[in-house]
Amino acid sequence: AQTVTQSQPEMSVQEAETVTLSCTYDTSENNYYLFWYKQPPSRQMILVIRQEAYKQQNATENRFSVNFQKAAKSFSLKISDSQLGDTAMYFCAFVDQTGANNLFFGTGTRLTVIP
Amino acid sequence: DAMVIQNPRYQVTQFGKPVTLSCSQTLNHNVMYWYQQKSSQAPKLLFHYYDKDFNNEADTPDNFQSRRPNTSFCFLDIRSPGLGDAAMYLCATSRTGGVVILQPQHFGDGTRLSIL
Repeated sequence: AQTVTQSQPEMSVQEAETVTLSCTYDTSENNYYLFWYKQPPSRQMILVIRQEAYKQQNATENRFSVNFQKAAKSFSLKISDSQLGDTAMYFCAFVDQTGANNLFFGTGTRLTVIP
Repeated sequence: DAMVIQNPRYQVTQFGKPVTLSCSQTLNHNVMYWYQQKSSQAPKLLFHYYDKDFNNEADTPDNFQSRRPNTSFCFLDIRSPGLGDAAMYLCATSRTGGVVILQPQHFGDGTRLSIL
């Protein structure tokens, strides 16, 4: 069974600073995808960034980047130049290539950006 | 804009009174999902439709049912809501299958269900 672990229930960062959210996962699959989703308070869950396991290069989306360590089964999210709008719950999620793209979520990290 | 729409945004029902939550999508995605998310927890998959095929998660209570009359709509029926069913219910869609590159799931805003 796939499991996703986020060991930081809450984090805070000063506006304009950089913060890294941790995620580890466990799977016996070789081909899979990893995602970071953001869920602002009372708002829709949206995709932040995705990583294909077969790609060695770390994904980057503007201020968001990941550090994907396949051997260590680690998938951390780095947010640079943090903005107030980054305040949200962040979920790390895993999906394998079987079936219907079912997501396995971690328990989430609540990030607060402090002005 | 193409999107996933959930109605209503907030739903209040009485203990034991059946309730239906709805989800519609304009993305023409073939897979639709229902998640239950309790306060400060991760979303938990209840079931999904892969086209017309219904797939129930092993630990989803029998109290929860779903219908998908067409590609665009999917409903979550809770036959006899208990206090423990109070949660946010998220609908999501995805396009998958064949050689299509994996598409991420798109989520609706959710329906917050309260039980009196």
